[in-house]
Amino acid sequence: QVQLQESGPGLVKASETLSLSCSVSAHSISSGYYWAWVRQSPGKGLEWIGSVSYGGATFYNSSLTSRVTMSVDTSQNQFSLKLTSVTAADTAIYYCARGGGDYTAFNIWGQGTMVTVSS
Amino acid sequence: AVQMTQSPSSLSASTGDRVTITCRANETFNNYLAWYQQKPGKAPKLLIYAASTLQSGVPSRFSGSGSGTDFTLTISSLQSEDFASYYCQQYYSYPLTFGGGTRVEIK
Repeated sequence: QVQLQESGPGLVKASETLSLSCSVSAHSISSGYYWAWVRQSPGKGLEWIGSVSYGGATFYNSSLTSRVTMSVDTSQNQFSLKLTSVTAADTAIYYCARGGGDYTAFNIWGQGTMVTVSS
Repeated sequence: AVQMTQSPSSLSASTGDRVTITCRANETFNNYLAWYQQKPGKAPKLLIYAASTLQSGVPSRFSGSGSGTDFTLTISSLQSEDFASYYCQQYYSYPLTFGGGTRVEIK
């Protein structure tokens, strides 16, 4: 079955760039779907960060647009997130998910990765 | 942005109870509304999409209804494994938005 797995540093210094990747197995990214990042601050609700299509089209949450870049690497069958100038407010569990575009719900999720921003 | 308001934010119920969670949007949209279940330390899991379509593998005690701005998730007979948090989400327009969540606790 389709599985998603996040990877990246668990600790990032304030003002630096958070970089995460999501590897997709049992499904070729280039065959379709949008791919998304969603985060959850400790004890809080879910926040959509952005979505990227298999062709590279991107949609970002307006609250993060100036700091977010998402991309797809079809050769590696993975997609990535970069969030610049991080602060303590960016400390959260980051989930990658399939969906979030073309009127598709998030139907498959990665297990999530905790990222802490340190001062 | 479409704002999603869930109620209640938490509830206590017993096994076997019928539970209803409401999600209200601040504007109408086609029924691109999903419900997710999240257990502690786990990723959310899609339960229902298109307001009322059960995701494959999800027990039939879960159901969704509603249209326009008002949507409902119902658990017909609460089971022990259903104690979790539940979130609604609209996927009709960007930014995609979630409700604040409802925590279902054991009475």
